Amino acid sequence: RKEVEQDPGPFNVPEGATVAFNCTYSNSASQSFFWYRQDCRKEPKLLMSVYSSGNEDGRFTAQLNRASQYISLLIRDSKLSDSATYLCVVMQTGANNLFFGTGTRLTVIP
Amino acid sequence: ETGVTQTPRHLVMGMTNKKSLKCEQHLGHNAMYWYKQSAKKPLELMFVYNFKEQTENNSVPSRFSPECPNSSHLFLHLHTLQPEDSALYLCASSQVQGEHDTQYFGPGTRLTVL
Repeated sequence: RKEVEQDPGPFNVPEGATVAFNCTYSNSASQSFFWYRQDCRKEPKLLMSVYSSGNEDGRFTAQLNRASQYISLLIRDSKLSDSATYLCVVMQTGANNLFFGTGTRLTVIP
Repeated sequence: ETGVTQTPRHLVMGMTNKKSLKCEQHLGHNAMYWYKQSAKKPLELMFVYNFKEQTENNSVPSRFSPECPNSSHLFLHLHTLQPEDSALYLCASSQVQGEHDTQYFGPGTRLTVL
């Protein structure tokens, strides 16, 4: 079983739409969670950490459900510049290695 | 952004060549990492260095040999690679200090093995 699973998409949405991605993780000992964004042929860049209480950063909202072991990312009012691959990332307690999902590809259409 | 730099950005090598990838971080971090990213696969952690000591080696073949001379520099020495080793090799660094150790990635070296 994969450590982190994501729907690879692609998600094609019109500008202004709201889109949500989910991600599940297999190790209940996981303690740190992140969403990274990766543009085509570029390196991953941190979008936001995911905290237990959920957190929001502008148009982006991240939620964590420990009981069900899933993480979500909601993007409101999608912009063309949001087109990228979104990587769900999990880190286990006491370790500093990250487990990455395969990513969900988003394309925002004019 | 120049927090983590990698050279070369692109590399084409034959199976009998020896080459090295270089990574440098300018963020004052104490941990550095090598990852491999192949098409349609998640990033795979290869090596971790904490305070210049290797703490993780995820069953990586010996044809990949890391070197960390100091906390700012990380190398990946390559020899007798196989075509399936063609991938994007990403270096990252972080400050290990708690639960949310954010890793910052370099731009990667796109490696093609002929």
